[in-house]
Amino acid sequence: SQTIHQWPATLVQPVGSPLSLECTVEGTSNPNLYWYRQAAGRGLQLLFYSVGIGQISSEVPQNLSASRPQDRQFILSSKKLLLSDSGFYLCAWSLADTQYFGPGTRLTVL
Amino acid sequence: DAKTTQPPSMDCAEGRAANLPCNHSTISGNEYVYWYRQIHSQGPQYIIHGLKNNETNEMASLIITEDRKSSTLILPHATLRDTAVYYCNRLRGGSQGNLIFGKGTKLSVKP
Repeated sequence: SQTIHQWPATLVQPVGSPLSLECTVEGTSNPNLYWYRQAAGRGLQLLFYSVGIGQISSEVPQNLSASRPQDRQFILSSKKLLLSDSGFYLCAWSLADTQYFGPGTRLTVL
Repeated sequence: DAKTTQPPSMDCAEGRAANLPCNHSTISGNEYVYWYRQIHSQGPQYIIHGLKNNETNEMASLIITEDRKSSTLILPHATLRDTAVYYCNRLRGGSQGNLIFGKGTKLSVKP
């Protein structure tokens, strides 16, 4: 069966510091991968999605970036965090239409 | 813009059926109705989806009206562990979908 992992689970970072969040999927090949952000009390916002290695589509312009160095690995990065980057970051995968989410990373930028 | 409308909250007695409505009056012919739920501080969990026909799986049933403008998610025997925020979404088939979760319905299952 397929599983999706995210780490770290929680993170507290100062403004201006770099960020790297990792997501890996097991038990499937060539999945579509997604990064979402959920701000406190709000809905999901799609940040990036990828249909293959090295292929990244950005949905929202911002100071975040994503990379897919391996088939089942998706990384979310930032060179300098802003206060507004705080939130719950969710990675998801799909083979067709149905998306399955990971446990999330809660990021607090102080 | 989630393009779906759900009541902000509902209560349900443990062991009873929970019926969660969703309005999607502008849904297109190639858009599926998807339901997810999110328990506090966890990632969203897929529940069920459908296009036109009613669907049932081990978690829930999905009833879609004939005109497809609304649907109801049914949890047949709600338990305390079903307390969560339930999200109704529209997703075009064959797309690298953008799940636009709205505010959902906060379901509280009470003993």
